[in-house]
Amino acid sequence: NAGVTQTPKFQVLKTGQSMTLQCAQDMNHEYMSWYRQDPGMGLRLIHYSVGAGITDQGEVPNGYNVSRSTTEDFPLRLLSAAPSQTSVYFCASTYSGGAQETQYFGPGTRLLVL
Amino acid sequence: RKEVEQDPGPFNVPEGATVAFNCTYSNSASQSFFWYRQDCRKEPKLLMSVYSSGNEDGRFTAQLNRASQYISLLIRDSKLSDSATYLCVVNPGWGGTSYGKLTFGQGTILTVHP
Repeated sequence: NAGVTQTPKFQVLKTGQSMTLQCAQDMNHEYMSWYRQDPGMGLRLIHYSVGAGITDQGEVPNGYNVSRSTTEDFPLRLLSAAPSQTSVYFCASTYSGGAQETQYFGPGTRLLVL
Repeated sequence: RKEVEQDPGPFNVPEGATVAFNCTYSNSASQSFFWYRQDCRKEPKLLMSVYSSGNEDGRFTAQLNRASQYISLLIRDSKLSDSATYLCVVNPGWGGTSYGKLTFGQGTILTVHP
C-alpha cells in the first residue's frame, strides 16, 4: 500500500512551458485534491474531485487544469508556467467514513518557474 | 479577514513545557475541524480531529468553542520530536464530509529545545 504518490519530486520550468504533475493513490478514495503551499502561507486548494469524471475549482484554480479519468489518478496540468506558480504542490486523497475523515497527502512536488 | 487564522509564532519552549495554540475561523457553518502536523519540507499529517467540544489523545488536547469560533491545541510535556509546524484545518462544508475541500491556516511553528 503506497498511499499517495506524486511525481516528479522536483521540477524547474521556464516561463511559458507546460507540464503535468502526476498524482496517484491506491486506497480507493473517492475524493482527491490539489493544494499549493507558499512560504508563510497555509495550503490553498487548487482543484478537487469527488469521483472519476467529476472535478471542480478550488480557491486558486487559474492557470491549472485537472482531469479524473480513474479513481486512482488525478493529474494537475500547468498550461503555461509563470513565476507566480513557483510553489510546493501537494496532492491529497480523503478517507471519509461516518464521523471520521482523514486527508492523506503525497510527499509534494517542488516547482521552480524561471 | 482570513477564513482560518493562526498565530504563526514561532513558539520556542523547553522540553517538558506545556504550550497552547489558538486558531479562529470565520465561517460559522463549518462542520468539522482538524489539527495537522507538518515537519520541515514534508507533507502534512493528521494529528487530531476535533469533535464536539474537544478531545484528548495522550499529551495532546484539542478544544472547540463554536460560539466564539475558535479551536485550540494544547501540548503537555513537550518533547524535542514535537518540533514542527501545526496547521489548523477547517471543513467549511454544510454536510458531514469535506469532499476533499479543506481550508488551512498558515500554521504555527513550534521549536522545543533541550
